[in-house]
Amino acid sequence: EAGVAQSPRYKIIEKRQSVAFWCNPISGHATLYWYQQILGQGPKLLIQFQNNGVVDDSQLPKDRFSAERLKGVDSTLKIQPAKLEDSAVYLCASSAAAPRSTEAFFGQGTRLTVV
Amino acid sequence: TQLLEQSPQFLSIQEGENLTVYCNSSSVFSSLQWYRQEPGEGPVLLVTVVTGGEVKKLKRLTFQFGDARKDSSLHITAAQPGDTGLYLCAGPHSNSGYALNFGKGTSLLVTP
Repeated sequence: EAGVAQSPRYKIIEKRQSVAFWCNPISGHATLYWYQQILGQGPKLLIQFQNNGVVDDSQLPKDRFSAERLKGVDSTLKIQPAKLEDSAVYLCASSAAAPRSTEAFFGQGTRLTVV
Repeated sequence: TQLLEQSPQFLSIQEGENLTVYCNSSSVFSSLQWYRQEPGEGPVLLVTVVTGGEVKKLKRLTFQFGDARKDSSLHITAAQPGDTGLYLCAGPHSNSGYALNFGKGTSLLVTP
């Protein structure tokens, strides 16, 4: 079974530029998450999708971050404009539609450096 | 969001030693998960504990969920270099059914 695919693996941009990350979840997984992991910290939830609808985006900085999941499969996360503090690893995860405590499967992440 | 405190933050030991890392909260959790994250990779689930007082074993790893379901511990027996990584505990995110709220993790280094 193929895992969660993310691209690119690494990205370096200057502050105020825009950047987009792509995620392809495990086939059949209805739930998709984007997490931000700053160096030395645990992942922090940015947004959760159930199929193509948003379940929770309360921690997404909506003035600069946006995410979409068209057709309920792939997802993109965009930052525009980027700030220095956005430097982090952006992790995508997916899980099957199941009762609580279901396992989340993570991709390798995209390491973003804003200079 | 329920806060999860992990300790110690860093741990460096030699191969063959035993260790315990902790995950504590002031809130009650319906379940807790432990993940291991290796450099350059995403977290991988090790175990889910659901019942207060529950103990689960995964080879040399022993996981315990506190009786009050506010804390958990991970004990590794005879650590090996392959155990090196970031150990994260996670509980259900308060606003979302399936999303996770993670602690900051314990970074473990096991040297030969």
